[in-house]
Amino acid sequence: TQTVSQSDAHVTVFEGDSVELRCNYSYGGSIYLSWYIQHHGRGLQFLLKYYSGNPVVQGVNGFEAEFSKSDSSFHLRKASVHWSDSAVYFCAGYQGGRALIFGTGTTVSVSP
Amino acid sequence: EAAVTQSPRNKVAVTGGKVTLSCNQTNNHNNMYWYRQDTGHGLRLIHYSYGAGSTEKGDIPDGYKASRPSQENFSLILELATPSQTSVYFCASGPTGGAREQYFGPGTRLTVL
Repeated sequence: TQTVSQSDAHVTVFEGDSVELRCNYSYGGSIYLSWYIQHHGRGLQFLLKYYSGNPVVQGVNGFEAEFSKSDSSFHLRKASVHWSDSAVYFCAGYQGGRALIFGTGTTVSVSP
Repeated sequence: EAAVTQSPRNKVAVTGGKVTLSCNQTNNHNNMYWYRQDTGHGLRLIHYSYGAGSTEKGDIPDGYKASRPSQENFSLILELATPSQTSVYFCASGPTGGAREQYFGPGTRLTVL
C-alpha cells in the first residue's frame, strides 16, 4: 500500500524562526512528491515537487524541500517564517495511476 | 480570473435530498478530480475524470456519482444525501499524466441535516 504520512499534526513557531515539516512515504520505485499549502477557508495551492535530480528543490516564498531515499522522506523547510505562512501544509505522493495520495496535513501557527 | 471555480460555496441539504456540486476549470486540463476533506483524514479521492464523457471511481465513491459533460465542467452528485456526507469538497484539475501537480478550487462546504 502506498502511503504518505505527516507525523506532526500541529506546529507552533515564532515569526522569524525556522520551521521543518516532516513527510515520510512508503512507495516502491520512483515517485513524484509534492507539497501543498492551504490557507484557512481556501483551496490547496501547489508549493513544490520532486521527481529526480537535485534532492533539494526550491519552491515559492522561500520554501524548500529535501528528498531522502534512505529515510523515505521529503521534509519541507523554511528559514524564516512570516505570519502569512500560518496554514495547513500537505505532503502528497504520486506514482502513476489515479491521483495524488495526500498526508493528513500539518497545521502551522506562526506567533508574532 | 480564478482557474478552478466551484459552486455553491456553501450548501445546507436535508437527509435524502439530492445535491449537485459543480466545478468549472479554465486551465484546459484533461484531468479533473473530486475530493472531500475531513479532520484527521486529509483529502480523499471520490471520483475523477480523464476527459469529457469519462468518470472513474476513486477511493471512496459510495454514495456519490460524477458527471463530466465537457472539458471544463465536472459535477459531483449526491442522489440521497446523508449526514455522513457533511464535509468540505474540493475540485481540482491537472494535465494529462499530471496527477503529480493539481490546481484546486476554493471548496464547497456541505452540511447535511
